[in-house]
Amino acid sequence: AQSVSQHNHHVILSEAASLELGCNYSYGGTVNLFWYVQYPGQHLQLLLKYFSGDPLVKGIKGFEAEFIKSKFSFNLRKPSVQWSDTAEYFCAVNAYSTGGFKTIFGAGTRLFVKA
Amino acid sequence: NAGVTQTPKFRVLKTGQSMTLLCAQDMNHEYMYWYRQDPGMGLRLIHYSVGEGTTAKGEVPDGYNVSRLKKQNFLLGLESAAPSQTSVYFCASKVVSGEQYFGPGTRLTVT
Repeated sequence: AQSVSQHNHHVILSEAASLELGCNYSYGGTVNLFWYVQYPGQHLQLLLKYFSGDPLVKGIKGFEAEFIKSKFSFNLRKPSVQWSDTAEYFCAVNAYSTGGFKTIFGAGTRLFVKA
Repeated sequence: NAGVTQTPKFRVLKTGQSMTLLCAQDMNHEYMYWYRQDPGMGLRLIHYSVGEGTTAKGEVPDGYNVSRLKKQNFLLGLESAAPSQTSVYFCASKVVSGEQYFGPGTRLTVT
């Protein structure tokens, strides 16, 4: 069965620290990959997406992610986090399955950035 | 262009009561989804629709029903609410292979 794994459930960092959140998926076909962010009390918003082309994609607010096909990974990175990055981050994979395109979300990683 | 809207934003129900949550999107998206979000459990798909007049079960469909009579609307119904259905409910829509656009959520408490 298709699945998405996010390695860390909770991450605590100090401001200016570097961030890397892991995401691995299990699906052998063509996929579209996403990272969403949910700020406290808000709904999910798209951070960045990968469909094809350059495997290093840049999103909003200085985030980037790298698609490594051989590792089935799509890790999220930011060189220097800010207090305002405190949020929950969800990795998602969109793939074709019986009945149409299906999106599977990871369980999420809660990031807390200390000021 | 309002995107995805949900009504109501908050609701408190007693066990056994029924209610309908409304999701509306103005982006002409084919796919629509209902999720519930509970602490530590991420997003769980309740039901989804790949087009007007179609619906399908997701991961946790029990206790919920849906209808997609119009392309822009996706309704989620609880026929007999239970405390286990206390949650935050999110609706989303998307084009076939694109990203999902989420509504602001409905916080439901069942006492």
